[in-house]
Amino acid sequence: DTGVSQNPRHKITKRGQNVTFRCDPISEHNRLYWYRQTLGQGPEFLTYFQNEAQLEKSRLLSDRFSAERPKGSFSTLEIQRTEQGDSAMYLCASSLVGGGLETQYFGPGTRLLVL
Amino acid sequence: KNQVEQSPQSLIILEGKNCTLQCNYTVSPFSNLRWYKQDTGRGPVSLTIMTFSENTKSNGRYTATLDADTKQSSLHITASQLSDSASYICVVRSGGSYIPTFGRGTSLIVHP
Repeated sequence: DTGVSQNPRHKITKRGQNVTFRCDPISEHNRLYWYRQTLGQGPEFLTYFQNEAQLEKSRLLSDRFSAERPKGSFSTLEIQRTEQGDSAMYLCASSLVGGGLETQYFGPGTRLLVL
Repeated sequence: KNQVEQSPQSLIILEGKNCTLQCNYTVSPFSNLRWYKQDTGRGPVSLTIMTFSENTKSNGRYTATLDADTKQSSLHITASQLSDSASYICVVRSGGSYIPTFGRGTSLIVHP
């Protein structure tokens, strides 16, 4: 078990381009979360999945953002028509829900810079 | 509105010294409170988790306290090391939501 992995680790793009990030959770974890974190702030919730179902989306998640978890394993987060305000660290976390207190395990994040 | 406030915003201490970080929350109903350590450019890593009935929990040189009546928590770091330099984030989960509420974190710098 190598923990939660995210790719790419860094992404530089020009305003208006589309970007896609991938998150591979810890195997057998049934819940997966996406967060956004800007400098000096705590993570802000974006969305989460229970298996392949997307159960909740934050109002921060504009229509330019879409997330999928097609087979209940890895997940992708796509940002269309990127804006400079999208520059942030995008964190993924996974957890196993079913008994005891839920612990979210975070990946290293994808740092996005929109020029 | 659920909120988590942390203080101080940043802290600089000398290696070997102790320090205490504070967390106040207004999350209701309360389920649990967790302290995370986040190294620069990395994801947060859980240090401790406390439920309503727990007052103190230790993890090595880290000791967390919880006062559920005043809705306050603290994280005490003993005999600080250079590797303790990081952001420490307080996270509170409500009993009615799967979405935790994160504080902004306290940035700790330990100088040799």
